[in-house]
Amino acid sequence: NAGVTQTPKFQVLKTGQSMTLQCAQDMNHNSMYWYRQDPGMGLRLIYYSASEGTTDKGEVPNGYNVSRLNKREFSLRLESAAPSQTSVYFCASRRDRVWTGELFFGEGSRLTVL
Amino acid sequence: AQKVTQAQTEISVVEKEDVTLDCVYETRDTTYYLFWYKQPPSGELVFLIRRNSFDEQNEISGRYSWNFQKSTSSFNFTITASQVVDSAVYFCALSEAGNAGGTSYGKLTFGQGTILTVHP
Repeated sequence: NAGVTQTPKFQVLKTGQSMTLQCAQDMNHNSMYWYRQDPGMGLRLIYYSASEGTTDKGEVPNGYNVSRLNKREFSLRLESAAPSQTSVYFCASRRDRVWTGELFFGEGSRLTVL
Repeated sequence: AQKVTQAQTEISVVEKEDVTLDCVYETRDTTYYLFWYKQPPSGELVFLIRRNSFDEQNEISGRYSWNFQKSTSSFNFTITASQVVDSAVYFCALSEAGNAGGTSYGKLTFGQGTILTVHP
């Protein structure tokens, strides 16, 4: 079972370059999330999507955009990468729109911005 | 605003020792869920347990046990007879009560994580 799949797993960018992180889930989940993980700070929510066609900002949305392309796919775009965006990015999904279920995570995407 | 605090940044133990990871949370919701996740060196996040705010019974799963106390807003995690394979980063997390008509949809707030190293 694939679960949540993220691509790419590793990426190195120069400051100012753009890129898109792709995420797809095959569990027919409604909600999808993008988190970033930085040392000593745990995981922080960037954006989330409660259902197809809706997206909302999380705790640290600045510098990012998202697209919920369909129920399966939720992409994260960096329009002009900055060194502060060097991080490990995790996509996650959850069956329900509200709070009842646990999150299922992808394997993470390690992004370095030089 | 919600907050989860894991005050222990790093813990180091020797195999077979018992170890407790602390988690303290803050929320204004009366209904909420608490979670523990494990992140082994390979990097993926593994779900361990979910507990709702109405159920304060302690839970045991093999060598793992969880102590939920609403009076102290704590949800502590104990590993009994630790093993080298338990070495990982452990995250405690809190999910607010989302509502379909509002803007909160069950977002998870994570603690900073506790790095557990179990030495042979």
